[in-house]
Amino acid sequence: EAQVTQNPRYLITVTGKKLTVTCSQNMNHEYMSWYRQDPGLGLRQIYYSMNVEVTDKGDVPEGYKVSRKEKRNFPLILESPSPNQTSLYFCASTMTGGLGIQYFGAGTRLSVL
Amino acid sequence: GQQVMQIPQYQHVQEGEDFTTYCNSSTTLSNIQWYKQRPGGHPVFLIQLVKSGEVKKQKRLTFQFGEAKKNSSLHITATQTTDVGTYFCAGLPGNQFYFGTGTSLTVIP
Repeated sequence: EAQVTQNPRYLITVTGKKLTVTCSQNMNHEYMSWYRQDPGLGLRQIYYSMNVEVTDKGDVPEGYKVSRKEKRNFPLILESPSPNQTSLYFCASTMTGGLGIQYFGAGTRLSVL
Repeated sequence: GQQVMQIPQYQHVQEGEDFTTYCNSSTTLSNIQWYKQRPGGHPVFLIQLVKSGEVKKQKRLTFQFGEAKKNSSLHITATQTTDVGTYFCAGLPGNQFYFGTGTSLTVIP
């Protein structure tokens, strides 16, 4: 079954404690993204990757890091989380950039205290 | 910077009424996609429009892409309770996706 898997689904942490949210897809997609969703703001792209070892900043990259060492995995790293990073995060993948369906993971709800 | 605005933010309709959401971009888009997100769920792809003036239909849903490729609309005819959710447009002016703020649809039985 084609899917994008994110872990964990829920996470409560404290300010400054480094965390990683994993994302994996089994569709051999080239393009992967991370979004955050906040009420009234829709989905905003944090980072995207057009292929292995290629990552680019999206609209709201401050405070986040990503890596793309393998095609299937695209982890999101918060080196020093702050309360303003409390949000719902989605990973998504698509075959070739913007000319394809984006498949979303189930989401990770993060609370930073 | 690039902006994609979507209106209305909320819409309440009686079951059987029609519903329309509008999406406007500050710049020309290469394509536009529409997604539906059920409460508590993740966005699910509905359709992609690529050509200027394109119109596509999926049963009761009609999607349009403007002639200038800067605006789009989604129209639902005779809403049903299964249509409840938030509808997002997503535009691609380059390699980066820009989502609209979404329209939350409530259908009153």
